[in-house]
Amino acid sequence: GIQVEQSPPDLILQEGANSTLRCNFSDSVNNLQWFHQNPWGQLINLFYIPSGTKQNGRLSATTVATERYSLLYISSSQTTDSGVYFCAATSGGSNYKLTFGKGTLLTVNP
Amino acid sequence: GAVVSQHPSRVICKSGTSVKIECRSLDFQATTMFWYRQFPKKSLMLMATSNEGSKATYEQGVEKDKFLINHASLTLSTLTVTSAHPEDSSFYICSARPRGFSYNEQFFGPGTRLTVL
Repeated sequence: GIQVEQSPPDLILQEGANSTLRCNFSDSVNNLQWFHQNPWGQLINLFYIPSGTKQNGRLSATTVATERYSLLYISSSQTTDSGVYFCAATSGGSNYKLTFGKGTLLTVNP
Repeated sequence: GAVVSQHPSRVICKSGTSVKIECRSLDFQATTMFWYRQFPKKSLMLMATSNEGSKATYEQGVEKDKFLINHASLTLSTLTVTSAHPEDSSFYICSARPRGFSYNEQFFGPGTRLTVL
């Protein structure tokens, strides 16, 4: 099955800083999603982005499907951005099963 | 839109008992629902895929007699942990893929934290 790798595993920022999280995947994808897991465990959908670029406020994401990677950008980070960010992907023949990366633990300090 | 609920949010039970967890899509129909398990500080691991009206498909290593899945309608899937033991303690999360969407986005429930004493 598809392999999904995220980097860095941990990231510590000062409030106001910008950051880039990376997701590499081993096969072509028909679904790629970015999530933020809040302290209570809820996965919050950030982006559905199998290709192209999207922006939502301070967050944006870009997926370059031909090179098998996706990037999540967080600008002007806030303490509420802290948490785990997951990338997950589905490859073509997988019956829509999402494979998750191990996540990036982001800590934003005031 | 695209809200998924889970009930209960937290359950504590004695070893040997069975626990049922419900996953509901509140504002859409879901032909496919998925069940995941997450250990502390770890990623999500897919346990099974649940299709409405048919048997669930389990991932390798997941005991189907231990984790019973029923997808009785287009808005409800249930996971029953039978004869629970302490090693079954975990965070269980469901997701749903909306019916009729032209794309494959999945939406997740808030999770159920199971503690087996």
